Amino acid sequence: DIQMTQSPSSVSASVGDRVTITCRASQGISNWLGWSQQRPGKAPKLLIYAASTLQDGVPSRFSGGRSGTEFTLTISSLQPEDFATYYCQQAHTFPLTFGGGTKVEL
Amino acid sequence: VQLVESGGGLVQPGRSLRLSCAASGFSFRDYAMYWVRQAPGRGLEWVSGITSNSGDIGYADSVKGRFTISRDNARNSLYLQLTGLRPEDTAFYYCARDKDSGAGSYFFDHWGQGTLVTVSS
Repeated sequence: DIQMTQSPSSVSASVGDRVTITCRASQGISNWLGWSQQRPGKAPKLLIYAASTLQDGVPSRFSGGRSGTEFTLTISSLQPEDFATYYCQQAHTFPLTFGGGTKVEL
Repeated sequence: VQLVESGGGLVQPGRSLRLSCAASGFSFRDYAMYWVRQAPGRGLEWVSGITSNSGDIGYADSVKGRFTISRDNARNSLYLQLTGLRPEDTAFYYCARDKDSGAGSYFFDHWGQGTLVTVSS
């Protein structure tokens, strides 16, 4: 199975900060990587797919990158509604797997 | 697009449960569908997936042999049969739709609100 290692597990930040979350795959997955946001008590929401493509309606302050098997989610200027938990997910091979999550908190 | 899960509840270890997901607002028969679970206060875990025509099915190792995914395209419904339930299966169970119709992408663009399964004696 492909393991997804996400870091950090939590990050403290302020409105306006730039935040970067990293996800490393245990083997090559090309660009088959997505990022989702989950607010407390809500279902997850897809932000980015194919490593760097923004899902419709997602603000441009979110961006995704890739270097080999390491992927990044960057929020360029944190907004109040961005305080949430973020998950990476590999979409390369069954079984699909998620990273452990990163909680972005104030 | 709307996905509504049902069928969760409190069940004793070793017993069975059947979850349902009613889909509306899109052509259900054209999309692969998935189940993803989340134990209270924990992260997301993919459980199972099924292609649009049920031709390809996959399971997480943790549920293989105990859970069965199926779909009824005529009823716009997705199902998950849970057998041999264990306390560690306690979680919110979400159904989710593939972002792309046809062959799919394995990304999930719409999610239901989840149904809680609690396994306890």
